[in-house]
Amino acid sequence: GAVVSQHPSWVICKSGTSVKIECRSLDFQATTMFWYRQFPKQSLMLMATSNEGSKATYEQGVEKDKFLINHASLTLSTLTVTSAHPEDSSFYICSARDRADNEQFFGPGTRLTVL
Amino acid sequence: GQNIDQPTEMTATEGAIVQINCTYQTSGFNGLFWYQQHAGEAPTFLSYNVLDGLEEKGRFSSFLSRSKGYSYLLLKELQMKDSASYLCAAMDSNYQLIWGAGTKLIIKP
Repeated sequence: GAVVSQHPSWVICKSGTSVKIECRSLDFQATTMFWYRQFPKQSLMLMATSNEGSKATYEQGVEKDKFLINHASLTLSTLTVTSAHPEDSSFYICSARDRADNEQFFGPGTRLTVL
Repeated sequence: GQNIDQPTEMTATEGAIVQINCTYQTSGFNGLFWYQQHAGEAPTFLSYNVLDGLEEKGRFSSFLSRSKGYSYLLLKELQMKDSASYLCAAMDSNYQLIWGAGTKLIIKP
């Protein structure tokens, strides 16, 4: 199957700093990438959908100025958590959809801990 | 509105069979997905159904009834490693996945 990578796998940062998470589709072109957040023992929550070359579409309740998404190429999307606070600590997962397929391929996730 | 329902938790015995049900209501429909998620890991793809009927893949099978808005995931010959959460997701007319809350499956020896 198709491979999606995420970097970093985990990050610990101080409150107030910004953190950038990269999501890459390694062997296919992803016209659409999705960013999810998952709190412990809860289901995936879609944060935003990003299409290559256009602005991301954010879900209701997700602050677009806090969670900056850039999808500059068909293989790379980035999520930047600006001025992170402890309540932003979560498991962030990206997924990518192959232009020729409906299936979403997930990255391994990034665990963010904000102190 | 759009909604996915699946049981919160199920318990089964090693070697047995378990069926995890999922009902969905979406604006349009472009298929039903099942994912497995172990604690602390990202989901991994199990199956995709867009036509009515049963799709078998090794120990796992998935069934879809579009007229009933219903799917199930059938796991046979359960192994301890099958302990995980199983996520049902329906794709709507905009090709967006609508996720269920997941079913935590506990396997006992």
